[in-house]
Amino acid sequence: AQSVTQPDIHITVSEGASLELRCNYSYGATPYLFWYVQSPGQGLQLLLKYFSGDTLVQGIKGFEAEFKRSQSSFNLRKPSVHWSDAAEYFCAAQRAGSGNTGKLIFGQGTTLQVKP
Amino acid sequence: DADVTQTPRNRITKTGKRIMLECSQTKGHDRMYWYRQDPGLGLRLIYYSFDVKDINKGEISDGYSVSRQAQAKFSLSLESAIPNQTALYFCATSAHRGGYFDNEQFFGPGTRLTVL
Repeated sequence: AQSVTQPDIHITVSEGASLELRCNYSYGATPYLFWYVQSPGQGLQLLLKYFSGDTLVQGIKGFEAEFKRSQSSFNLRKPSVHWSDAAEYFCAAQRAGSGNTGKLIFGQGTTLQVKP
Repeated sequence: DADVTQTPRNRITKTGKRIMLECSQTKGHDRMYWYRQDPGLGLRLIYYSFDVKDINKGEISDGYSVSRQAQAKFSLSLESAIPNQTALYFCATSAHRGGYFDNEQFFGPGTRLTVL
């Protein structure tokens, strides 16, 4: 079955420190991959997506993610975290190619806490 | 104005009551989706619609029904609400892009539903 796993439920980092949020997927073929952020009381905002091509993807708010086919991973990174980055982060996958229905499968989410 | 709106934003109801959550979009997208979010489970797809006459069940459709009244409107109903339907509900939209393209989804702000 298709699935997306975020191994870390909760992460705490100090402001200014680097961040990496992990995401692993299990699909029959390489899916399209997305990272969304949900701030408290808000909907989901797309940070970045991987469709094809360059495996290092740049997104908004200084985030980037690296697709690694060999590890079935799509980890999200930021070199220096700001207090405003505290939020819940979701990795999601979508079937690629001509069979794409638009449906997303989400990971469980990772809550990021930023210490001053 | 928001592109994807949901009403109500918050709702408290009692077990056995019928309740409808509404979603409207001004993005002109043909595809619409309903998800529920539970802590530790991420977002799970309830129903999705490719157009007014094409409605499909998602992974957790039991206890829910939907209506696509127009291209821009997609409603989710709980015919007889139960406490384990307490959750945060999100509507999303995407434009159909056939072939080898991702179908990015755009999310509404969510409806927090509590069933007592």
